[in-house]
Amino acid sequence: AQSVTQPDIHITVSEGASLELRCNYSYGATPYLFWYVQSPGQGLQLLLKYFSGDTLVQGIKGFEAEFKRSQSSFNLRKPSVHWSDAAEYFCAVGVVVPNDYKLSFGAGTTVTVRA
Amino acid sequence: NAGVTQTPKFRILKIGQSMTLQCTQDMNHNYMYWYRQDPGMGLKLIYYSVGAGITDKGEVPNGYNVSRSTTEDFPLRLELAAPSQTSVYFCASWAASSYNSPLHFGNGTRLTVT
Repeated sequence: AQSVTQPDIHITVSEGASLELRCNYSYGATPYLFWYVQSPGQGLQLLLKYFSGDTLVQGIKGFEAEFKRSQSSFNLRKPSVHWSDAAEYFCAVGVVVPNDYKLSFGAGTTVTVRA
Repeated sequence: NAGVTQTPKFRILKIGQSMTLQCTQDMNHNYMYWYRQDPGMGLKLIYYSVGAGITDKGEVPNGYNVSRSTTEDFPLRLELAAPSQTSVYFCASWAASSYNSPLHFGNGTRLTVT
């Protein structure tokens, strides 16, 4: 069965510092991988996605993620964090079966940005 | 386009009461989903639908029911509310155009059962 692990429950980072959020997945086939962000009281917004091609993908708001098949990882990074990046971040894997498709989510990582 | 709309935004229920969480999408998406979000647990799939008239259970379906009479609407029904159903509920839809296209989420319904 598929699973997504986000090892860090909570990360605190200073404004302007770099950020890396870890994501490991378990899935038998080629994964469809996503990072979503959730601001307080809001729904989930897609940051970026990966299916094939270049293993370094660029997303919105200056985020990028790198797919490493050998490590079953899809870590999210941002070189310089802004206060507005304080949010909860979810990694997800798309699960494909015939005539069926759903996303399986990790538990999330809460990011706090300090001035 | 409004996207995915959920109502109500907030609700407090007493144990044993029933209610329906509404979800509507105007993007003509065939696939729709209901997730619940609990602290430290991420999002768990309750029910989903691949088209009008077709529904299926997700990971945590107990205590819930759904129907899908139209492409646009996918209501979630709680028949006998229990404190364990206190959560934030998200509805989502998917175009099914390609597997790496994103799900579109509503803004959630925060439900408290006391």
